Amino acid sequence: GENVEQHPSTLSVQEGDSAVIKCTYSDSASNYFPWYKQELGKGPQLIIDIRSNVGEKKDQRIAVTLNKTAKHFSLHITETQPEDSAVYFCAAGDSTLTFGKGTMLLVSP
Amino acid sequence: KAGVTQTPRYLIKTRGQQVTLSCSPISGHRSVSWYQQTPGQGLQFLFEYFSETQRNKGNFPGRFSGRQFSNSRSEMNVSTLELGDSALYLCASKWWGMRSNEQFFGPGTRLTVL
Repeated sequence: GENVEQHPSTLSVQEGDSAVIKCTYSDSASNYFPWYKQELGKGPQLIIDIRSNVGEKKDQRIAVTLNKTAKHFSLHITETQPEDSAVYFCAAGDSTLTFGKGTMLLVSP
Repeated sequence: KAGVTQTPRYLIKTRGQQVTLSCSPISGHRSVSWYQQTPGQGLQFLFEYFSETQRNKGNFPGRFSGRQFSNSRSEMNVSTLELGDSALYLCASKWWGMRSNEQFFGPGTRLTVL
C-alpha cells in the first residue's frame, strides 16, 4: 500500500517568513495530493491540492509543487501570519488517501 | 452550504461497551469515509461508503463496522471497546463524479474509553 512520509514534524517561523513542508510517497499509482490544515478542536480543512498531471499550483500565499519522478511534493506558505499556526497534513492516493503524520507549524509574531 | 456534521461531538465509554457514531455529509455528496486520528498513528483510513455499499476498507479489526443510508448519512459502530480505541473519529464526504477526490472533513467525534 501507499506510505507517506512528512517532514519536519514541527516548524517554528517568525511572522512574515516562509514555511516549507515536504512529503514523499511510495505508490507511483497515486495521482492526487491534497494538503489539509487542522486547528485545535476542529477537523482537517482542505487548503490546496494538486493532481499528477500538474507540477505546481498556487493560491494566494500557498503553493504546492509535485515531482512525480522523485515521488515528492511540498507545501510552501509565504508571508506567514500567526493565524497560519496549525497542524498541516499531506496526503497521497486516488479514491482513498494515505496521510502523513503531520507538521505542527508555529508562527510567532 | 452546510458542512459535514458529526454527532455526538464527545463520548465517554468503558471497556467492553459498544458505540455508534453518526455522520451527515455535505448535501449532494454521496461518498462518506471514516478515519481514526490518534497522536501516535495520525490519520488512519477505516472505510468508505458509496450508495450504501462499502467500497474500500482499511486495516482495522472487525469490531469496527459501518453503514450508509439511502440519504447518504453514515454511521460507524465499534463493538467491545478497548482502551486503544480512544481517538478522534473523523468523517469525510466527497462528491462522486469526475472530480471525486476532494474530501471535506467534519469536526470529529472525540471518543474516550475508560
